[in-house]
Amino acid sequence: NAGVTQTPKFRILKIGQSMTLQCAQDMNHNYMYWYRQDPGMGLKLIYYSVGAGITDKGEVPNGYNVSRSTTEDFPLRLELAAPSQTSVYFCASSYSGQGVEDTQYFGPGTRLTVL
Amino acid sequence: QKEVEQDPGPLSVPEGAIVSLNCTYSNSAFQYFMWYRQYSRKGPELLMYTYSSGNKEDGRFTAQVDKSSKYISLFIRDSQPSDSATYLCAMSASGGYNKLIFGAGTRLAVHP
Repeated sequence: NAGVTQTPKFRILKIGQSMTLQCAQDMNHNYMYWYRQDPGMGLKLIYYSVGAGITDKGEVPNGYNVSRSTTEDFPLRLELAAPSQTSVYFCASSYSGQGVEDTQYFGPGTRLTVL
Repeated sequence: QKEVEQDPGPLSVPEGAIVSLNCTYSNSAFQYFMWYRQYSRKGPELLMYTYSSGNKEDGRFTAQVDKSSKYISLFIRDSQPSDSATYLCAMSASGGYNKLIFGAGTRLAVHP
């Protein structure tokens, strides 16, 4: 199993550009999540999905969009990139969504800089 | 005031020391408490979780929750250089991963 994979590893965007961060998992997990991690701020949930075709907002969804057309893939779209979106983005997945029942697995992250 | 407070460190200890990592929180509804370990330039990995108050032990790691003081701890016994990482606490009222509130993380360095 590859686990949770993310591409690209690094990216520099100009203000106003758009991009899609890719995330895939091969563990047949129902739940997938996107987080951002800023220095000194901990992880913040952007969006999550409970299954193909079902997504919901997290704590910080503004400026982002997601879709989940398959169980395996959960891309995160940034439209009109802004410097405030400079961060490290992590994708994660879990089978049941409940911490007492199973483990959440994280990908290696994408480091995004918006200049 | 943040819902979850965690001292960012860095904390530097010699190999073999007992390490204590701590978080405080303000929301009395929190019942599920987790500790993640994050190596440099890697994603977090779930280390331990506890429900409600009490202790939980797993090898060299012990998680402790004191709900009356709104204080949780992670103890690492016989610390090793391989324990050098950032440790994040996280907690929620419902136990769902979609409701977790994370601390900022404490950076730990264990030197030989």
